[in-house]
Amino acid sequence: AQKVTQAQTEISVVEKEDVTLDCVYETRDTTYYLFWYKQPPSGELVFLIRRNSFDEQNEISGRYSWNFQKSTSSFNFTITASQVVDSAVYFCALFPDRGSTLGRLYFGRGTQLTVWP
Amino acid sequence: DGGITQSPKYLFRKEGQNVTLSCEQNLNHDAMYWYRQDPGQGLRLIYYSQIVNDFQKGDIAEGYSVSREKKESFPLTVTSAQKNPTAFYLCASSMGGGGQPQHFGDGTRLSIL
Repeated sequence: AQKVTQAQTEISVVEKEDVTLDCVYETRDTTYYLFWYKQPPSGELVFLIRRNSFDEQNEISGRYSWNFQKSTSSFNFTITASQVVDSAVYFCALFPDRGSTLGRLYFGRGTQLTVWP
Repeated sequence: DGGITQSPKYLFRKEGQNVTLSCEQNLNHDAMYWYRQDPGQGLRLIYYSQIVNDFQKGDIAEGYSVSREKKESFPLTVTSAQKNPTAFYLCASSMGGGGQPQHFGDGTRLSIL
């Protein structure tokens, strides 16, 4: 079975605080991809990052960083020095890759992040 | 600019009525997807298509239908059999396979009159 769990439904922080969004996944596939998407109040989902199952290097992009640990099946997302514009719903998603073009994403339920000024 | 266009932005349905949500993409993507979003439920997959004239049911296909007559277009019909259609509907596309990122439209909010 494929499953993504985002245990934090809502998080509130004050501007400039660091915040970590947790993501735990379940899959029996050996090859898979993990994603993070941001959904601002306007509604569209914005792609943030993709990681494949063979690349456990952490990644940093500006104030964003991602920590992928296969040992704990986690792909956590940290925002450093949060800003009001970071307020959004964040989704973690899993794509099991079975070597064909037929594939789909499995989404977590999302974490609503609110950053207060 | 390349992207995904969903229309209309807001849609109202009367009891017993079928309504069709439009999704068009000019990204030359092979794969297209329809999701339903309810508060606290995340995104649930309704239907997806990897190639023209072929599509697969997702997790909540009952009460919905789709067609894929052109690569650029993947309309979703919400039929009268869907008893609780009020939700936010998102269309997405991707290159298909290999975990390519999905690109999303702005969504259609459907409500019951």
